[in-house]
Amino acid sequence: DTAVSQTPKYLVTQMGNDKSIKCEQNLGHDTMYWYKQDSKKFLKIMFSYNNKELIINETVPNRFSPKSPDKAHLNLHINSLELGDSAVYFCASSPTGMNTEAFFGQGTRLTVV
Amino acid sequence: AQSVSQHNHHVILSEAASLELGCNYSYGGTVNLFWYVQYPGQHLQLLLKYFSGDPLVKGIKGFEAEFIKSKFSFNLRKPSVQWSDTAEYFCAVRTGANNLFFGTGTRLTVIP
Repeated sequence: DTAVSQTPKYLVTQMGNDKSIKCEQNLGHDTMYWYKQDSKKFLKIMFSYNNKELIINETVPNRFSPKSPDKAHLNLHINSLELGDSAVYFCASSPTGMNTEAFFGQGTRLTVV
Repeated sequence: AQSVSQHNHHVILSEAASLELGCNYSYGGTVNLFWYVQYPGQHLQLLLKYFSGDPLVKGIKGFEAEFIKSKFSFNLRKPSVQWSDTAEYFCAVRTGANNLFFGTGTRLTVIP
């Protein structure tokens, strides 16, 4: 069983469209994250949620809206896609607390054309 | 604001060479430290972690890292690299229960 799963794995879409990426974890973790990895491999945290509550929102445009229907899911919806949104988006989860590691999904490669 | 620096952008080594990748962080409080590896086309996997205790921690695949609090550093080492170690390596810092900040990554290329 995949611990942290993201769908889709690849997403190609035109500028201006709205798209969603889904993330689910079956590890029973309370905290979930979204990261953006750009073409230079830089990993930037976008959001973190704890028990469906937004904890971190790191200067991400309002076009990005995370939604956590329950603590096992953290979906990422992106409105009015721009060329600069092209990247690999990683979902991750961890138990709550300092002494915990994060587990990552396989990533979603988003290409905006 | 906290930050994580990895000064080596791209390291190229021959097989059997020794490896040391630098990681420095800027945060004055308690931190937990991690090294993750990303093989080509794959997701991030944990190599090792430091929470407390012995500052020299051992991870998978022969990797180890040393936490030097006075230098705010957590350098990754391996005595003898293999071609299969070719990957992107990320240092990460947790300063609170719900965050995890990554460095810019170091690409390691091992030449057979």
